[in-house]
Amino acid sequence: SQQGEEDPQALSIQEGENATMNCSYKTSINNLQWYRQNSGRGLVHLILIRSNEREKHSGRLRVTLDTSKKSSSLLITASRAADTASYFCATDGGDYKLSFGAGTTVTVRA
Amino acid sequence: KAGVTQTPRYLIKTRGQQVTLSCSPISGHRSVSWYQQTPGQGLQFLFEYFSETQRNKGNFPGRFSGRQFSNSRSEMNVSTLELGDSALYLCASSSEGSGGADTQYFGPGTRLTVL
Repeated sequence: SQQGEEDPQALSIQEGENATMNCSYKTSINNLQWYRQNSGRGLVHLILIRSNEREKHSGRLRVTLDTSKKSSSLLITASRAADTASYFCATDGGDYKLSFGAGTTVTVRA
Repeated sequence: KAGVTQTPRYLIKTRGQQVTLSCSPISGHRSVSWYQQTPGQGLQFLFEYFSETQRNKGNFPGRFSGRQFSNSRSEMNVSTLELGDSALYLCASSSEGSGGADTQYFGPGTRLTVL
């Protein structure tokens, strides 16, 4: 079973616009991570936010975490065609595994 | 450093056969995890190994097994293949002993098709 639920399932934006996707989870976590996957290939780690952190930035990425609501959001600013991919949130519950959400498919139109 | 490598990249098998997939982690990484990705179920955790010990196993039938060698390389085996085993199998390695608590570095995956 999947721990995280992501919203929306799919997102289509114009190049230069911002993209926001949300992740909700069910149980307590040590940290939450975001990954990107291009066309059914391997996943690439984007950012990790620990349970005692509320916001984190990495380049054009901004992640927030609200443990009281058990939710996180990923914002990609000034999107590029190369950002077209599927984005997954994954939670670490301290049991040596990541539980992934269903993913958000982002399409950036030129 | 070289990334996580998985062999083979593509595999076609028939029902009832068995298959072994291999994963070489990033040099120095001692934790290796396996995930199955399908369109219907998404990314599902299979198992995690650290220093040759399995520390967690996902909710998969006993036909799915794995092991880790002293050099941290890992293999997973699926016996008596079923059509539903068709999936992308992803291996990931991590540098720390805390397993999923750390950044996971994924390989390109092995695409298994069962006919």
